[in-house]
Amino acid sequence: DTGVSQDPRHKITKRGQNVTFRCDPISEHNRLYWYRQTLGQGPEFLTYFQNEAQLEKSRLLSDRFSAERPKGSFSTLEIQRTEQGDSAMYLCASSLARVSSGANVLTFGAGSRLTVL
Amino acid sequence: AQKVTQAQTEISVVEKEDVTLDCVYETRDTTYYLFWYKQPPSGELVFLIRRNSFDEQNEISGRYSWNFQKSTSSFNFTITASQVVDSAVYFCALSADTNAGKSTFGDGTTLTVKP
Repeated sequence: DTGVSQDPRHKITKRGQNVTFRCDPISEHNRLYWYRQTLGQGPEFLTYFQNEAQLEKSRLLSDRFSAERPKGSFSTLEIQRTEQGDSAMYLCASSLARVSSGANVLTFGAGSRLTVL
Repeated sequence: AQKVTQAQTEISVVEKEDVTLDCVYETRDTTYYLFWYKQPPSGELVFLIRRNSFDEQNEISGRYSWNFQKSTSSFNFTITASQVVDSAVYFCALSADTNAGKSTFGDGTTLTVKP
């Protein structure tokens, strides 16, 4: 397993267009997370899945943002009607959550950078 | 509400110098977890350390060491004998529970190590 993969690495789009990012986690990981990172700031949690269930989505930035993980493997993050303020790096991370262990350790992907013109 | 403050936005040192990155956190939880991550220019955040609130022992891993002090709500990170490859953005993060993915991150400290 080569780690967490994200695609595309860079996306340039015009305002108003829809964009979709894909994340392939480490295969045995049951949790998958999405974050937004803007310049000079730390990652901001957006949503996460445990297997195929989306357990929290209240932190998605607006109803233009949605995420899916249909078979509990890869996940997609879609942004509809993009705005210039959506320009950022979108990071994905995965982890293996076990009941008996302490805080799970995250493995991050390299991110998908979005530029909205 | 939780908050993580990394007051040092940028630090520049010369190779072989020691450097300490500060992290101060705020939380009302009695149980929490603290993390440090490294983000090199390639973009992937790399996990460095995890510490729970009940374990105040300092930790050393090679050239890296961490000083956790609950009394001052700080979790500082020291790199001894810095190297050029240590140049990166370092993030401190705080989680209220074992779900580390929902952590609150600081804004990071950019470390530049010059040869």
